[in-house]
Amino acid sequence: DTEVTQTPKHLVMGMTNKKSLKCEQHMGHRAMYWYKQKAKKPPELMFVYSYEKLSINESVPSRFSPECPNSSLLNLHLHALQPEDSALYLCASSQEPSSRGDTQYFGPGTRLTVL
Amino acid sequence: AQSVAQPEDQVNVAEGNPLTVKCTYSVSGNPYLFWYVQYPNRGLQFLLKYITGDNLVKGSYGFEAEFNKSQTSFHLKKPSALVSDSALYFCAVSEPSLYGNKLVFGAGTILRVKS
Repeated sequence: DTEVTQTPKHLVMGMTNKKSLKCEQHMGHRAMYWYKQKAKKPPELMFVYSYEKLSINESVPSRFSPECPNSSLLNLHLHALQPEDSALYLCASSQEPSSRGDTQYFGPGTRLTVL
Repeated sequence: AQSVAQPEDQVNVAEGNPLTVKCTYSVSGNPYLFWYVQYPNRGLQFLLKYITGDNLVKGSYGFEAEFNKSQTSFHLKKPSALVSDSALYFCAVSEPSLYGNKLVFGAGTILRVKS
């Protein structure tokens, strides 16, 4: 089973709202990722958690705040977002982050619209 | 830095004909290459990867890819296209860093299969 689940599927929020995206995997993977994807563009890496610790932050604005409560869960907390933050937010996981051949498995994404 | 290029924004092919989606790479050291497919409003699905070994890699849904070191290419192929293969395809390379491995994606190629 290579399933990564994400909730909610769709989210509409105002610029003053606080919301969270959730990602879950039960494959025993040790790395989890957040990506942002605009329409018909490649995913852009935002954060990487390796063994539950934040290992990569790609200079993401502080209005995005990741959290990894345990090895199976990854959250992305959103606050004071801008309309340009509207995008598909993808979560991924992989088994062994230190291996270059490690395969990342993606969830279906959360479609975020900021009004 | 590692990079991949997908020279075609869109590829059109008739159902039943062979298809090729092109990818070229630029890496220092050995390349670790991946292909992903994305259907509309969905996450990315892993198709196949090249780490080492045979130059012809077989993957999911009847896809295969040919690694060519002299031409620095990793083209995705399928002997007989299906309408359901219509999607957005991404080539990617694994880029090592001190803090973990990152996937660097190409710009993507839209594949349209017409019946």
